Amino acid sequence: NAGVMQNPRHLVRRRGQEARLRCSPMKGHSHVYWYRQLPEEGLKFMVYLQKENIIDESGMPKERFSAEFPKEGPSILRIQQVVRGDSAAYFCASSPEGTGELFFGEGSRLTVL
Amino acid sequence: AQSVTQLDSHVSVSEGTPVLLRCNYSSSYSPSLFWYVQHPNKGLQLLLKYTSAATLVKGINGFEAEFKKSETSFHLTKPSAHMSDAAEYFCVVSERGGSYIPTFGRGTSLIVHP
Repeated sequence: NAGVMQNPRHLVRRRGQEARLRCSPMKGHSHVYWYRQLPEEGLKFMVYLQKENIIDESGMPKERFSAEFPKEGPSILRIQQVVRGDSAAYFCASSPEGTGELFFGEGSRLTVL
Repeated sequence: AQSVTQLDSHVSVSEGTPVLLRCNYSSSYSPSLFWYVQHPNKGLQLLLKYTSAATLVKGINGFEAEFKKSETSFHLTKPSAHMSDAAEYFCVVSERGGSYIPTFGRGTSLIVHP
């Protein structure tokens, strides 16, 4: 059973470009979470999705950031017009129904030049 | 509402000595509690979890944690540190009956000296 798959593992973008980060949850998991980790800091919750629904996006910046988890295919975290402050590791985790236990991917490390 | 506080940002031990990483939580509902470990440039791996069964929980790699409701604590321990234990450790709370959005502590960096 494959774990949570994130790609790309590393992404470099110039200011103003778009970044798309993908996450395929573990088989059978219908809950996806995105977290952001800045250097020397813990993980900050961004968004919680189920298939075709955003359940909670209270941690997402109001502008430039969006997330989706379509019926088919991976979850996507999209950052438009990236700025240097968006440089971070973005972790996706999936969870079985209603347990709160998270299974993490290896993360996508975004660098904005 | 839920929150978690990891009391130490860094803990330094010698190889072969005990490890104690402290975690206090706050929760309006019955909490589920977790400890995760993160090695450099890696994802997070679950060490152990508490979900209302036995209060003393055993995890991987010899780690244990005890849920103490009266103290709202969930400290992580290991009798004897190994060099490979050097990593970042995160305490996490999730409310059963709440939003099921796990909240992370800021992390404790465990340093193991030879």
